[in-house]
Amino acid sequence: GAGVSQSPSNKVTEKGKDVELRCDPISGHTALYWYRQSLGQGLEFLIYFQGNSAPDKSGLPSDRFSAERTGGSVSTLTIQRTQQEDSAVYLCASSLTGYGYTFGSGTRLTVV
Amino acid sequence: GENVEQHPSTLSVQEGDSAVIKCTYSDSASNYFPWYKQELGKGPQLIIDIRSNVGEKKDQRIAVTLNKTAKHFSLHITETQPEDSAVYFCAASKNGGGADGLTFGKGTHLIIQP
Repeated sequence: GAGVSQSPSNKVTEKGKDVELRCDPISGHTALYWYRQSLGQGLEFLIYFQGNSAPDKSGLPSDRFSAERTGGSVSTLTIQRTQQEDSAVYLCASSLTGYGYTFGSGTRLTVV
Repeated sequence: GENVEQHPSTLSVQEGDSAVIKCTYSDSASNYFPWYKQELGKGPQLIIDIRSNVGEKKDQRIAVTLNKTAKHFSLHITETQPEDSAVYFCAASKNGGGADGLTFGKGTHLIIQP
């Protein structure tokens, strides 16, 4: 596609529910990144995928967070048993070389 | 790990004047420094980046300078226009990010006064 596509754009969920956030990177981009942006804060790096290789999960905030990337393309970020502190904008980015990321518009997650 | 400090948090300038945003980083191994512009409701957009083998880079009204010795880099916007109003983020990384990602500053809200 022309850009990085994220869905849904907004998600309101009840505390304790599981959510799945989806990212469609730019076609051909092998590098894919997830970041979290909390209100008024900078961007916090969560996880990186290079092609189909197993990611380093050490940046994920807790074991309630998991991510996968299928076929070297689409990625999903799953948050289990959501908590209010998980409320944030979750941003996905992709890159061909690792430099010059292109970000999607993000998913705004609100846990009530 | 890397730590990036960004100043000021808010900057208000008159239209047509220049704006300067400054960042410092802690890890001397960092060698890639991008700047992103984020408008309300949108994802950050890369506007310019610099690698550690150069000291300055320009693109029309935007320039970035890097001082490796002092470990700081700055964004300069000249002849500011209303559409420059946004939040700007600096970032630092080793080799484009990769497994460690980019480390971002907390952002500068730039306001262009008409």
